[in-house]
Amino acid sequence: QSALTQPRSVSGSPGQSVTISCTGTSSDVGGYNYVSWYQQHPDKAPKLMIYDVSKWPSGVPDRFSGSKSGNTASLTISGLQAEDEADYYCCSYAGSQILVFGGGTKLTVL
Amino acid sequence: EVQLVQSGADLKKPGESLKISCKGSGYSFTSYWIGWVRQMPGKGLEWMGIIYPADSDTRYSPSVQGQVTISADKAISTAYLQWSSLKASDTAIYYCARQYGSSIRGYYMDVWGKGTTVTVSS
Repeated sequence: QSALTQPRSVSGSPGQSVTISCTGTSSDVGGYNYVSWYQQHPDKAPKLMIYDVSKWPSGVPDRFSGSKSGNTASLTISGLQAEDEADYYCCSYAGSQILVFGGGTKLTVL
Repeated sequence: EVQLVQSGADLKKPGESLKISCKGSGYSFTSYWIGWVRQMPGKGLEWMGIIYPADSDTRYSPSVQGQVTISADKAISTAYLQWSSLKASDTAIYYCARQYGSSIRGYYMDVWGKGTTVTVSS
């Protein structure tokens, strides 16, 4: 499995919205509705933000939303806040219990 | 509270062996997969493999197959990641995480350990 493709960086001002894309293939993103997104602050463990494309774990604000079209999934963060500045990773099921991560996107809040 | 507690940082020489651990608590350890994720210095997350502690069913990413061994001791709710001969390129932070794994429950990692830093240097 190859890593999913994400932009290396995105940025936005407080209060704005940003969208991070995640492109895979029909063997992963396009083949299953099991895309998850993780937030990682420097020197911290990743945190689950979205699962099953668009579901929220308990405690995650609904400013974070997920979607998918074909082989591309997206994470949208609305009402950007300073604490949203972090690295974001998408992850997709690829069959046989195997997951594959994206390369990660650094979000800068200007 | 659901927790995964990982073993402490390790400094090893090339060629040495190592086994790091991940102890689960606050949930039924045998009802979920436990996965391992590697993060090399300054790099992204890489899914390595998983184990189902109830029956030790194990799956590996093709990129690490044969390079590491994942095991578990369900009696003490602990999963392990081990190397028989470390290389400098194994230097990384290794996270364990609870992984959901079914078409009913979905496929994702919801609870993560704090990570174990492994440094391999002569």
